[in-house]
Amino acid sequence: QKEVEQDPGPLSVPEGAIVSLNCTYSNSAFQYFMWYRQYSRKGPELLMYTYSSGNKEDGRFTAQVDKSSKYISLFIRDSQPSDSATYLCAMGAGGGNKLTFGTGTQLKVEL
Amino acid sequence: GAVVSQHPSWVICKSGTSVKIECRSLDFQATTMFWYRQFPKQSLMLMATSNEGSKATYEQGVEKDKFLINHASLTLSTLTVTSAHPEDSSFYICSARLIAGGTGELFFGEGSRLTVL
Repeated sequence: QKEVEQDPGPLSVPEGAIVSLNCTYSNSAFQYFMWYRQYSRKGPELLMYTYSSGNKEDGRFTAQVDKSSKYISLFIRDSQPSDSATYLCAMGAGGGNKLTFGTGTQLKVEL
Repeated sequence: GAVVSQHPSWVICKSGTSVKIECRSLDFQATTMFWYRQFPKQSLMLMATSNEGSKATYEQGVEKDKFLINHASLTLSTLTVTSAHPEDSSFYICSARLIAGGTGELFFGEGSRLTVL
């Protein structure tokens, strides 16, 4: 079993839809969580960083962490074609430098 | 967010040659940088942790003589792929933490695509 599970997609939604992207993990030592957006042939771009359970909102993006269920989500409101990319979750344990990444979910927002 | 820059963004080389990729933190000092490798439609694989002024720490299965890492200053780390072969063709990405150690945000460079003929 992988430490981090993420559905690779592809996920196709119409413009304006609310998108829900999810990751589950098995390592209870993970304490902080990040979501990255990666366009084709580009490096990952940090979208959200969260350290505690609960919700964190930034513009159209909301990151949700449920440590008891070992489940994290990224919601994208009013999705745009420019949101079409691969979204990677990443997580780490306290005091360490390593991040464990999900495989990424490919999202396509269609006009 | 913090800016991490990589150069070159893409490179094509002949089998047997060596290729150097640079990673710079543009607006902050990074005592630690990380080098990742990514195959098509796969996630990021950590290759090594680059430490300023000391030897890099390599992940299991990564050949340190093959992938030479130098972190000579607080803003520059280099990855040299020595005697490159077609199987080394990949997307190499560096990253750095805004705050050294611990749990700070990790920022990535734009990536360098290596094609070995």
